[in-house]
Amino acid sequence: ETGVTQSPTHLIKTRGQQVTLRCSSQSGHNTVSWYQQALGQGPQFIFQYYREEENGRGNFPPRFSGLQFPNYSSELNVNALELDDSALYLCASSLVGANGYTFGSGTRLTVV
Amino acid sequence: AQKVTQAQTEISVVEKEDVTLDCVYETRDTTYYLFWYKQPPSGELVFLIRRNSFDEQNEISGRYSWNFQKSTSSFNFTITASQVVDSAVYFCALDNQGGKLIFGQGTELSVKP
Repeated sequence: ETGVTQSPTHLIKTRGQQVTLRCSSQSGHNTVSWYQQALGQGPQFIFQYYREEENGRGNFPPRFSGLQFPNYSSELNVNALELDDSALYLCASSLVGANGYTFGSGTRLTVV
Repeated sequence: AQKVTQAQTEISVVEKEDVTLDCVYETRDTTYYLFWYKQPPSGELVFLIRRNSFDEQNEISGRYSWNFQKSTSSFNFTITASQVVDSAVYFCALDNQGGKLIFGQGTELSVKP
């Protein structure tokens, strides 16, 4: 049983650019959630995808968007990057109806 | 509003000491889940325990134990005979919407030899 895989592990972008982060969910899991973790803080919920549709969103602007694919993998896209977007982005997969979440190791994004 | 508070930002202990990490939560829902996660320097959140709101029985798993008290909205985590490998950031989290975890600020535990 494979866990959650995220890519890339590290990324440096310039303010104003766009970025795409990727997540492969754990085998058998059909729901993916994304979290942003700023340095020294707890993770903050961005959004969740189930059956390729957004299924709940946290307090993040529309420039944060996502996709879920038929194989349940997911992408997080961030447009017009700001310095405050620098953070660890974590992906978690789960099976709807269950309450266990498996997290990936995250993508550390630095915006300069 | 839902909220999780971990008042202890940093804790430092010497190996073999017992240590308790505090977690206080707020929610108006009667059905919810509480979690503890461990985050080592690698960044991955490692699942430790999930407890539903209807089960107040304390749980012990090896050196780890959890004390859930609905009367005080607390879900505290104790490590007995701490080890250097326990050094990490620990997060308490609340889930009452089927997938949106609300995390506390985390407690950084440092266990020195």
